[in-house]
Amino acid sequence: QKEVEQNSGPLSVPEGAIASLNCTYSDRGSQSFFWYRQYSGKSPELIMFIYSNGDKEDGRFTAQLNKASQYVSLLIRDSQPSDSATYLCAVSGGYNKLIFGAGTRLAVHP
Amino acid sequence: EAQVTQNPRYLITVTGKKLTVTCSQNMNHEYMSWYRQDPGLGLRQIYYSMNVEVTDKGDVPEGYKVSRKEKRNFPLILESPSPNQTSLYFCASRPSGTSGYNEQFFGPGTRLTVL
Repeated sequence: QKEVEQNSGPLSVPEGAIASLNCTYSDRGSQSFFWYRQYSGKSPELIMFIYSNGDKEDGRFTAQLNKASQYVSLLIRDSQPSDSATYLCAVSGGYNKLIFGAGTRLAVHP
Repeated sequence: EAQVTQNPRYLITVTGKKLTVTCSQNMNHEYMSWYRQDPGLGLRQIYYSMNVEVTDKGDVPEGYKVSRKEKRNFPLILESPSPNQTSLYFCASRPSGTSGYNEQFFGPGTRLTVL
């Protein structure tokens, strides 16, 4: 069974700090990696995707991928209370399936 | 506005009473799918459709049916709902192709309770 693992949290960080969210996956053949943000009671929203080893930056968000370690992470710089949400890691190894982790709840406190 | 719509948004029903949750998208996407979300388990795919009249099982298809007679619509059918199908359901659509996940949209969700 292909798995995607995340710490459920909550991860609590002060406003302005860097939040670091981590995800591991079991399928070495995985090719595409995604981070979704989900506010309570709302639908998931794609915020980052990464295909290649290394870092990918978009505004305050940085996705990091290490395929050798089967590890993907999301860094949120200058965290804001509006970043408080559940962050879902998702991994695609093929055309038809996206495997989601259970999510990490992030709480940014003023 | 590009969107995926689901109806109803909330539903309380009883065991065995057939129900349908509708899903519609206005982006001309080929690929549509249904997920359920349960605490601690994340999103799990129920069924997906690669195009009209082409559907296939996801990870948790038992107790569900789907159809894809039109490109824009992908209804989820529970012919005999049971309490273990109480969950939050999301419909999603995206373009076909390997980069299609970059443009995946989720509907607003349907919270189903089966008593």
